[in-house]
Amino acid sequence: SQTIHQWPATLVQPVGSPLSLECTVEGTSNPNLYWYRQAAGRGLQLLFYSVGIGQISSEVPQNLSASRPQDRQFILSSKKLLLSDSGFYLCAWSSGYNSPLHFGNGTRLTVT
Amino acid sequence: RKEVEQDPGPFNVPEGATVAFNCTYSNSASQSFFWYRQDCRKEPKLLMSVYSSGNEDGRFTAQLNRASQYISLLIRDSKLSDSATYLCVVNNEGYSTLTFGKGTMLLVSP
Repeated sequence: SQTIHQWPATLVQPVGSPLSLECTVEGTSNPNLYWYRQAAGRGLQLLFYSVGIGQISSEVPQNLSASRPQDRQFILSSKKLLLSDSGFYLCAWSSGYNSPLHFGNGTRLTVT
Repeated sequence: RKEVEQDPGPFNVPEGATVAFNCTYSNSASQSFFWYRQDCRKEPKLLMSVYSSGNEDGRFTAQLNRASQYISLLIRDSKLSDSATYLCVVNNEGYSTLTFGKGTMLLVSP
C-alpha cells in the first residue's frame, strides 16, 4: 500500500532563517505531488505541484520554492522565512489529476 | 481559478440528528468530486468520492447535481466522533489540481 511521510511534525524558526521540509511517498511510482499551506482558521492554499521529476508548478508567488529531485521526493524550501510563513504545511500525492489527494501528517511551522 | 463554496458553519447538532452539507462549484467542466474530513490540527482525510449516480457509505450519502453544479453530503444518525470540518473538493478541468472549499465545521453534542 502507498504511504506518505512528511517531517518534521513541528518546527519553530526565527524570521530570516532558511527552511527545508521534506516529503516522500512509498508504494507508487510517478505520483503527482503537492504542497499546501493552511493558515490558522483558513482554507487550504495550494503552493506547488509536480507531475514529474524536475517539473514544478507554482501557484502563489512568494518566498518559497519547491524541488523534486527524485520521483517520490518533494521538498519545500525558503532562503529567508517571514512571519507570514507560519502555518500548517501539508504534502500530498495523487495518482492523477482526477484522483483524490492523500495527505501526509503535516508540519506545523511557527516563525518567531 | 474556479471557485468552490460551502455552507457557512458551524453546524451544531445533537447526537442522532441528520445533517446535510451543500457545496457549489463554478467550473462546469469539473469531473471529479470528493468530500474530505479534517479533524482539529490534523491533515484532511478522504471521506468519500462523489459519483454521478450518488453513492452511500454507511451513514454517509453523497450526491451530485451537475445541472445546478452542487454536491451534497448527508450524515445520518450523527455521532460525537463525526465532529470535524468537512471539505468539499472539486478538480479543475485542464489543471493537475483540486480546489478545496474552506470547509464546514460540524459539532455533534451529547
